[in-house]
Amino acid sequence: GAVVSQHPSRVICKSGTSVKIECRSLDFQATTMFWYRQFPKQSLMLMATSNEGSKATYEQGVEKDKFLINHASLTLSTLTVTSAHPEDSSFYICSARRSGLNYGYTFGSGTRLTVV
Amino acid sequence: GQQLNQSPQSMFIQEGEDVSMNCTSSSIFNTWLWYKQDPGEGPVLLIALYKAGELTSNGRLTAQFGITRKDSFLNISASIPSDVGIYFCAGRCSAGKSTFGDGTTLTVKP
Repeated sequence: GAVVSQHPSRVICKSGTSVKIECRSLDFQATTMFWYRQFPKQSLMLMATSNEGSKATYEQGVEKDKFLINHASLTLSTLTVTSAHPEDSSFYICSARRSGLNYGYTFGSGTRLTVV
Repeated sequence: GQQLNQSPQSMFIQEGEDVSMNCTSSSIFNTWLWYKQDPGEGPVLLIALYKAGELTSNGRLTAQFGITRKDSFLNISASIPSDVGIYFCAGRCSAGKSTFGDGTTLTVKP
C-alpha cells in the first residue's frame, strides 16, 4: 500500500513553454503533499507544501508565480513550471502524507525536466 | 533555516564490510529518517525513528535517533553490491517538512 504515482517521469520542453507534473496517491488520501527539487549530485530541497483545498505554502526563494501548485483533491497535486527556462531543468519529486492517525510519507518516483 | 551535516560524503568499500554514516543538526527534530535513492528514482524510506534514543533495525540496517534529538546514524552490516546508491538522512519537524542531508554515495566493490 501507500503508492504515489508521479507523471511524467521524463519531459523535454522548449524554453518559454509550461510543463505540468502530476503527483497522485493511488491507494490512500493525501491531505498534504510536498514538492522537492533536486539538482544532479545534490540533496532534495523543499519547494512548497501543498494542502488539499487551500493555497500552497512556498519556501523562501521559490517563486509562486513560476511554480504553480494545485491540490484540488485528496489524491492529486500538480506542479506547473511556467515559462520554463534551461535553469529550471532539474529532478522534481513529490511526497504525499497519508491522512489519519498512522500517517506516513511516501515519495513519488520523480520527474526529470529538461528545458532546451 | 535548518541544516543537516551528513558524513561521509562518499564511501568506497569492499563487499562484506560494514558501513556507518551519520547526520548532525543544529536544530532539534521530531523524527529522523533514512532514505536510499537510486539514479533517476525518488527516495525510498529505509528506517524511520520517532523517539530520542530509539534504536531500530531493518534487516542489515540499523539506525539510531540521538539522545539530543540533533543527530542520527545509520549502519549497514555485511554490505552487498546492491547496497550501492545514495543514502540521505532527513529530519522532520512537527509541521511535516523534511530537511535532507547532502547524501552519502556508497560504492561496494565485489
